[in-house]
Amino acid sequence: EAGVTQFPSHSVIEKGQTVTLRCDPISGHDNLYWYRRVMGKEIKFLLHFVKESKQDESGMPNNRFLAERTGGTYSTLKVQPAELEDSGVYFCASSQELAGVAGYTFGSGTRLTVV
Amino acid sequence: RKEVEQDPGPFNVPEGATVAFNCTYSNSASQSFFWYRQDCRKEPKLLMSVYSSGNEDGRFTAQLNRASQYISLLIRDSKLSDSATYLCVVNVGGTASKLTFGTGTRLQVTL
Repeated sequence: EAGVTQFPSHSVIEKGQTVTLRCDPISGHDNLYWYRRVMGKEIKFLLHFVKESKQDESGMPNNRFLAERTGGTYSTLKVQPAELEDSGVYFCASSQELAGVAGYTFGSGTRLTVV
Repeated sequence: RKEVEQDPGPFNVPEGATVAFNCTYSNSASQSFFWYRQDCRKEPKLLMSVYSSGNEDGRFTAQLNRASQYISLLIRDSKLSDSATYLCVVNVGGTASKLTFGTGTRLQVTL
């Protein structure tokens, strides 16, 4: 079974530019989550999709971040315009059942560097 | 105050040693508790869930004290391959979708 796939694995962009991160969850997983780890800090929740709907977006830092999940399959996270403090590792995870955290699988992350 | 607090370490121990990590959480409504392992530049992976009665998985033992809002992880007979960062993770308010992570405790096992 293919795992959670994230693309790109690394991205270096200049302040003010736009970057789009992509996540392909495990096939059939309705739940898709985005998390972020800023250097020196803990991993923090950004948002949660159930199929194509945003279930919880309480962790989104500001309106420069836009997440979508087209047709309930893959998801994109766009940062526009990027700021220096957006640098970090962005993790995506998916799960089949809401209550089963053991079924929560993380992707290997996208390392974003804003210069 | 952080929602989940951990000693960042590093903990440097020789192979075969026993090492314990602790974690405290601030939200008394927390319902589920976990230890994740994260290798350098890799994604976090679930090590084990933590139950009120305490639970064991091979060389790993996890304990939960709800009254003190305290979670622990004990690793016996440490192996070189145990070297990693151990993340204390809490699920607050019964919503499994939203995990709250500690900053992690780094373990380095040496020969």
